[in-house]
Amino acid sequence: EAGVAQSPRYKIIEKRQSVAFWCNPISGHATLYWYQQILGQGPKLLIQFQNNGVVDDSQLPKDRFSAERLKGVDSTLKIQPAKLEDSAVYLCASSLGGGRHTDTQYFGPGTRLTVL
Amino acid sequence: GENVEQHPSTLSVQEGDSAVIKCTYSDSASNYFPWYKQELGKGPQLIIDIRSNVGEKKDQRIAVTLNKTAKHFSLHITETQPEDSAVYFCAAVSGSARQLTFGSGTQLTVLP
Repeated sequence: EAGVAQSPRYKIIEKRQSVAFWCNPISGHATLYWYQQILGQGPKLLIQFQNNGVVDDSQLPKDRFSAERLKGVDSTLKIQPAKLEDSAVYLCASSLGGGRHTDTQYFGPGTRLTVL
Repeated sequence: GENVEQHPSTLSVQEGDSAVIKCTYSDSASNYFPWYKQELGKGPQLIIDIRSNVGEKKDQRIAVTLNKTAKHFSLHITETQPEDSAVYFCAAVSGSARQLTFGSGTQLTVLP
């Protein structure tokens, strides 16, 4: 079974530029998550989708971050404009979904973003 | 919201010895506690989990214990091997919040 795919794996940009990340979840997984992992810390949830609807975006900095999941499959996360403190690994995860908070989340390899 | 604290931040053990990582949580409504292993350049991978109606769970060399009264849970790895070297994260999920809150991670190094 293919895992969660993410691209690009690495991205370097200058502050105030924009950047987009792409995620393809495991086939059949209804729930998709985006996490931000700052170096030396645990992942922090940014946004959670159930199919193509947003379940939780309470920790998403909406003035600069946006995310969408069209057709309930792939998802993109965008940052515009980027700040130095956005340097982190952005992880995408997916789970079967169905409302159970105990569903196992499967993580992709992440995109390492460096903002100069 | 939930707050998860994890100790130690780094841990070095000799191959064959045991390793113990401890976590505490703040939300008494949390009822699901997964542990993740993250190798360099990869995303976290679930290694074991425990629900609040269980005090202990074991899977080969890995075990997790939960003390709901004290609000802490621990990961135990026995007979450690070099391939166990990685960063380990504990997490807690509240049934109401329905989101994972991660600890800050433990860098485990198994010395040959």
